[in-house]
Amino acid sequence: DQQVKQNSPSLSVQEGRISILNCDYTNSMFDYFLWYKKYPAEGPTFLISISSIKDKNEDGRFTVFLNKSAKHLSLHIVPSQPGDSAVYFCAAFNNNDMRFGAGTRLTVKP
Amino acid sequence: EAGVAQSPRYKIIEKRQSVAFWCNPISGHATLYWYQQILGQGPKLLIQFQNNGVVDDSQLPKDRFSAERLKGVDSTLKIQPAKLEDSAVYLCASSSQGAGNSPLHFGNGTRLTVT
Repeated sequence: DQQVKQNSPSLSVQEGRISILNCDYTNSMFDYFLWYKKYPAEGPTFLISISSIKDKNEDGRFTVFLNKSAKHLSLHIVPSQPGDSAVYFCAAFNNNDMRFGAGTRLTVKP
Repeated sequence: EAGVAQSPRYKIIEKRQSVAFWCNPISGHATLYWYQQILGQGPKLLIQFQNNGVVDDSQLPKDRFSAERLKGVDSTLKIQPAKLEDSAVYLCASSSQGAGNSPLHFGNGTRLTVT
């Protein structure tokens, strides 16, 4: 039962350009969404989050957009840097239930 | 602040053997989670503790997996007997409140290989 889906297993972008990572969910009861970043051999680290009452949250180079009607959220990284190369997980939360997507591997080329 | 500590980092065992993982959460974090991450998939919650009580263990295969959190601090996750499909990274995470109000802080995980 995949309630959170990241349909792109990988994404490659040039340094300085924008990276857009996408995430879809099926459960309309989710009320909080998060993005985590994971480097090899490390645990995921929290990146940015958004409440379902908002449609945008920005933190430096990272912006998350939420489209509740489409049950879709996206993470924008601009400008992208080689250090951003990692696996990005989308997560959705409701009432002690957090579900993760399968992740998207981002590669930022110098 | 010190992060979530997990040990061991790696473990290789044969099927039907038993194994245990240990986790020390961030000091003061009341909520502790164990996740299983199979290669190519996102983390899947196995069990969630609030202090030393279980909040959610609905996805824990209780015939072979067990977990405890004595004194509401450290936690251990045990698998007995292990199966090939248990090969995964086992992640421990903690948060100061429920996950929706404060993000999870993950440890580096234990990579289990069952042969």
